[in-house]
Formats: sequence, C-alpha cells, structure tokens
Amino acid sequence: EVQLVQSGAEVKKPGESLKISCKGSGYSFTTYWIGWVRQVPGKGLEWIGIIYPGDSDTQYSPSFQGQVTFSVDKSTSTAYLQWSNLKASDTAMYYCARLPFDGSGYWSYWGQGTLITVSS
Amino acid sequence: EIVLTQSPGTLSLSPGERGTLSCRASQSVSSSSLAWYQQKPGQAPRLLIYGASSRATGIPDRFSGSGSGTDFTLTISRLEPEDLAFYYCQQYGTSPWTFGQGTKVEIK
Repeated sequence: EVQLVQSGAEVKKPGESLKISCKGSGYSFTTYWIGWVRQVPGKGLEWIGIIYPGDSDTQYSPSFQGQVTFSVDKSTSTAYLQWSNLKASDTAMYYCARLPFDGSGYWSYWGQGTLITVSS
Repeated sequence: EIVLTQSPGTLSLSPGERGTLSCRASQSVSSSSLAWYQQKPGQAPRLLIYGASSRATGIPDRFSGSGSGTDFTLTISRLEPEDLAFYYCQQYGTSPWTFGQGTKVEIK
C-alpha cells in the first residue's frame, strides 16, 4: 500500500527556518516524482513544485521559486520542504503528494498534511 | 499561467440528484491534462478523475469527467450524502500547474 506520512504541525516565528518531511512507503521511492501543494486555511490549492528523488531534479512554481527548497534522503525514502526565513504569509497546510509513474502532473497519492503556523 | 474558473461556487443538491460542476480554462489545456479532486472537511484531497475523463482507482462510477480544450465538467450522477465536499479541478498540461478555486457541494 502506497503511503505518504508527513511530519507533525509546527508553530514558528517570522524569520525562523523550518524543514518538514514526507516519508514514502509501499513503492519505489526513487522512481516517482513527489511534490508539494499549499492550502491556506479556508482557501484553495496551490502547486509549489516537484522533485525527482532519483536524481533530485526539481521544478518550482514561479510563485514559490526562491522561497522554499526541496530535498530528499533516498536512504530513508523521505522528501523535505524547507524555509530559511518564514513569513506570516507562509501559514498554511502543506501537503506532499506523488505523481503517477509516467510523471503526468496529477497527484495520485497524498500525505495527510502538515499545518504550519507562523506568528510572532 | 492558465487560470481555471470553477462554477458554481456552491452546489446544493438532494441525495439521488445529479450534479454538474464546471471548470473553464483561460486557454486551451493541452492533451486534456485535467484532473478533478475531492476534498472532504479535515482531509487531504483525493484524486477522482485524470486525463479529463479517466476515473482513478476505486472511484465510484457515479463520478464522471468530460470535456476538452477550455471547458471541462465533473458529473455526479446520483449524489450520496458522503459526497459532501469541495471539488477542485487542476490542469497539468502547462507549467505552472494550476488549480481552480473549488466548488462546494452541499447536501440539502
């Protein structure tokens, strides 16, 4: 069974750094693109970008380029999303999700979400 | 960037009724690269439809997708109480991939 399990909720202050995780299981982690989607409370979904764990190739949405960084640890089948300078506007639920094997851009499996709250 | 506009904003239906949700794109979506997701309160989204009309694994056949170019439709043929949710369309034919703003389906 394919599973994506994300790290727990975080409360941070503006200017702090943060790294959240998404652990994949039940499939070959290095051969499927995995990505991140943001949902501001009460709002819709936004594509942040994707990473290919096999070679760490990345694609960022222009709206998030330079604001976040993707990485993976193949040894633990874990993908990461990190910020170096959090802002209040980063407050949101963040989902990791996996693309199908052919890399088509629809999300066939989702993590449970990680709620990030940034407040002074 | 392709803007997806969903309508109506809210759809109120009785169990057993047919519901039609619309997703209109600001420019043509290449290769019918359009997906639909269902998001129930407090849950992650779930893939319903990909390639405009292909049902994802385990999705009941009361959900169907159609359309091409700039106009796409998700149809719920016979609404069940558990279909209470937000529904989002997403295009993945042109980067950046974008989502519609969602349609809320309410049960009368």
